[in-house]
Amino acid sequence: AQTVTQSQPEMSVQEAETVTLSCTYDTSESDYYLFWYKQPPSRQMILVIRQEAYKQQNATENRFSVNFQKAAKSFSLKISDSQLGDAAMYFCAYRRRKTGNQFYFGTGTSLTVIP
Amino acid sequence: ETGVTQTPRHLVMGMTNKKSLKCEQHLGHNAMYWYKQSAKKPLELMFVYNFKEQTENNSVPSRFSPECPNSSHLFLHLHTLQPEDSALYLCASSQVSEGTSNSPLHFGNGTRLTVT
Repeated sequence: AQTVTQSQPEMSVQEAETVTLSCTYDTSESDYYLFWYKQPPSRQMILVIRQEAYKQQNATENRFSVNFQKAAKSFSLKISDSQLGDAAMYFCAYRRRKTGNQFYFGTGTSLTVIP
Repeated sequence: ETGVTQTPRHLVMGMTNKKSLKCEQHLGHNAMYWYKQSAKKPLELMFVYNFKEQTENNSVPSRFSPECPNSSHLFLHLHTLQPEDSALYLCASSQVSEGTSNSPLHFGNGTRLTVT
């Protein structure tokens, strides 16, 4: 069974600094997708970034980038130049590439941004 | 306007009540989901509908009853709930294609349910 582990329940970062949130996953599949979602106090889960396992290049979206280590089954999220609006819960998620609607989520990391 | 709309935003109900949660998506997606979010737990998938047909039901108690009248609307009917059912219930949609799909989930704002 696929599992997703986020070992950091809480993290904090100074405004304008960089923070890295960790995520590891367990799977026997070779082809899959990985996602980071952000859930602010408004509660709506918003897609931050996605990575396709068959792509070696790490995905980047503006200030957000990932460090995808396929052999280590690691998928960390780096937030550069942190802003107050980045404060939220962040969830890592996994999905098989083959048909199937199951997304597997981690327990989340609560990020605090200190002014 | 968000692509996925959920109502109500908050719901308090007694254990003997019957209520329904509503979800509507405006994204033209063909799959809709109900998730349960409890503190310090991973999101739990409850139900999935592909093309209006239920494709997954992850051992959810029968006191939760889903309904998907069309590809844009999804309901979760609730009756005789327990206090441990108190949680945030999230609706999501995605586009599923034959074979493979990297379509992410698009979520609504959720319904905060409290069972007294």
